[in-house]
Amino acid sequence: QQQVKQSPQSLIVQKGGISIINCAYENTAFDYFPWYQQFPGKGPALLIAIRPDVSEKKEGRFTISFNKSAKQFSLHIMDSQPGDSATYFCAASKGGATNKLIFGTGTLLAVQP
Amino acid sequence: DGGITQSPKYLFRKEGQNVTLSCEQNLNHDAMYWYRQDPGQGLRLIYYSQIVNDFQKGDIAEGYSVSREKKESFPLTVTSAQKNPTAFYLCASKWQSSYNEQFFGPGTRLTVL
Repeated sequence: QQQVKQSPQSLIVQKGGISIINCAYENTAFDYFPWYQQFPGKGPALLIAIRPDVSEKKEGRFTISFNKSAKQFSLHIMDSQPGDSATYFCAASKGGATNKLIFGTGTLLAVQP
Repeated sequence: DGGITQSPKYLFRKEGQNVTLSCEQNLNHDAMYWYRQDPGQGLRLIYYSQIVNDFQKGDIAEGYSVSREKKESFPLTVTSAQKNPTAFYLCASKWQSSYNEQFFGPGTRLTVL
């Protein structure tokens, strides 16, 4: 119930293509879903986040799609660039400031020039 | 320049030694967190603290200890009781009133020789 399952484990995309990473959860009490981007040897950086009251959120080339009935959410990276090559983590959290973030296992994205 | 700092960036330890990892933030965040990152396992929560002089165990607290004597500081001690301490350690923080919008430091890579 506390797990967040992330797929694929790794992804290779051509420059200019669309990268899609998926996450699924079981706990319907989760109501905050962030995505983090991590470059090798660095700490994760918050990329974009969504609450379940909307089905989509877009920030630049990054879009979160949220399907509450399927308990799934995904990150879409449009016009993928070599500089987007990194590990991406999804996460989920229940409401309330004291609750923990539950992380997916990460997706290693490589954008080929 | 606001942010979260972790030191040292690299740390080598002999078996049987305790080591302390530093985490400092000047963002005036209330809550602070320690995570461990291993390849293919995402981020696992070690300890967290919501306020000064109080902290709670996370999912993998055994072999670790923390203190929170100041709002801006949350050091982590990896004790000799930790069976497999070689990992990348990440500190994070957030405002108490926010959703789980956690900001991460740059990390410390600990290697046991």
